[in-house]
Amino acid sequence: QVQLQESGPGLVKPSGTLSLTCAVSGASISSSTWWSWVRQPPGKGPEWIGEIYHSGNTNYNPSLKSRVTISMDRSKNQFSLKLSSVTAADTAVYFCTREGFSRFDYWGQGTLVTVSS
Amino acid sequence: QSVLTQPPSVSGAPGQRITISCTGSSSNFGADYDVHWYQQLPGTAPKLLIYANTNRPSGVPDRLSASKSGTSASLAITGLQAEDEADYYCQSFDISLRAYVFGTGTKVTVL
Repeated sequence: QVQLQESGPGLVKPSGTLSLTCAVSGASISSSTWWSWVRQPPGKGPEWIGEIYHSGNTNYNPSLKSRVTISMDRSKNQFSLKLSSVTAADTAVYFCTREGFSRFDYWGQGTLVTVSS
Repeated sequence: QSVLTQPPSVSGAPGQRITISCTGSSSNFGADYDVHWYQQLPGTAPKLLIYANTNRPSGVPDRLSASKSGTSASLAITGLQAEDEADYYCQSFDISLRAYVFGTGTKVTVL
């Protein structure tokens, strides 16, 4: 059974950088699949942030591309998200997911990140 | 950035059949990208309910079915149960936005 677990600070100051890590168990991030980050602002629908392939190739949502970096650490079987220059609009629950054939089949429980001073 | 439009709410009595629509465009459904459906209970992550337009992952009851035609898709729930109360989202890929996109979401209420 594939399990994902997000971790990172729950509070980030405006203009700062949001950093989250997703630990994967039950599967290798080096397998031929994509791993994604999705966020959901309070009371709104999900928004795809970006993805990383086992080779290290990445794709980002163009609306966030200038501020997003997704990377992976194969030795720890985890992947990470960095979102720079955050504002209150970046306050959301952030989920890491496994993606296959354009769908998201396994999700972490999510972690709330609040942007506030 | 919700380019997939869903009704905000749908309700039904226990045992009834309800449908949730998802309207897209020529840059997602019309470009032959698949639609997937998720159920989200309060405080939890979305759960994949339907993939590739009509397919149910193992464990999803056959009370749930879905279809896609042209630039629209729909999810049907028959024999509505209290446990079906949740938010439901459609999802696809949009070639114009070059991004995976989710629907606006539909809250299902069991009366």
